[in-house]
Amino acid sequence: GNSVTQMEGPVTLSEEAFLTINCTYTATGYPSLFWYVQYPGEGLQLLLKATKADDKGSNKGFEATYRKETTSFHLEKGSVQVSDSAVYFCALSETIQGAQKLVFGQGTRLTINP
Amino acid sequence: ETGVTQSPTHLIKTRGQQVTLRCSSQSGHNTVSWYQQALGQGPQFIFQYYREEENGRGNFPPRFSGLQFPNYSSELNVNALELDDSALYLCASSLEGPKTQYFGPGTRLLVL
Repeated sequence: GNSVTQMEGPVTLSEEAFLTINCTYTATGYPSLFWYVQYPGEGLQLLLKATKADDKGSNKGFEATYRKETTSFHLEKGSVQVSDSAVYFCALSETIQGAQKLVFGQGTRLTINP
Repeated sequence: ETGVTQSPTHLIKTRGQQVTLRCSSQSGHNTVSWYQQALGQGPQFIFQYYREEENGRGNFPPRFSGLQFPNYSSELNVNALELDDSALYLCASSLEGPKTQYFGPGTRLLVL
């Protein structure tokens, strides 16, 4: 079946550092790809998405590009802030029995120190 | 625009009991999906409801069941609770088809 693999955490950076969280996927066809963020004690918030190859999703300074050739969707931010501390999930969409479901990676915990 | 809401926020049950979790979808969204997120893991798809029918199910046993109501709100029922059912249960709403899913804050269930 389809799957998503994220770089293992936790990741700890200093404020204003450059961030990369790696995400690769295995899928038949070309699924939509997503990054969701989960702040402590909360549900998931959509951060950005891309629906086809070479699309770049962006939001709040975060970016990710859908790379078909490397089956990757790495998350980047040029200058992180303490408020970016959270768990980040990479996900793809797939169809099962007529339903659109999300398949998530295991999550990467990010801590930003002031 | 009202986002996805879930109730209750926290719940403690004992093994063998039954539990019902509730979800109100975002305004205008007619599809509801349920996910289970164990501690330190990514969410796992339980099932999805559209037009009051289950239209897709993940690898969960039949003691996990659900309902969707005409106003698109939904319930997740779990019978014969087991310790491993302890998790954060997330509801997500969307329009039908390959549309973005928007998540609620979740219900944290602890089974003792």
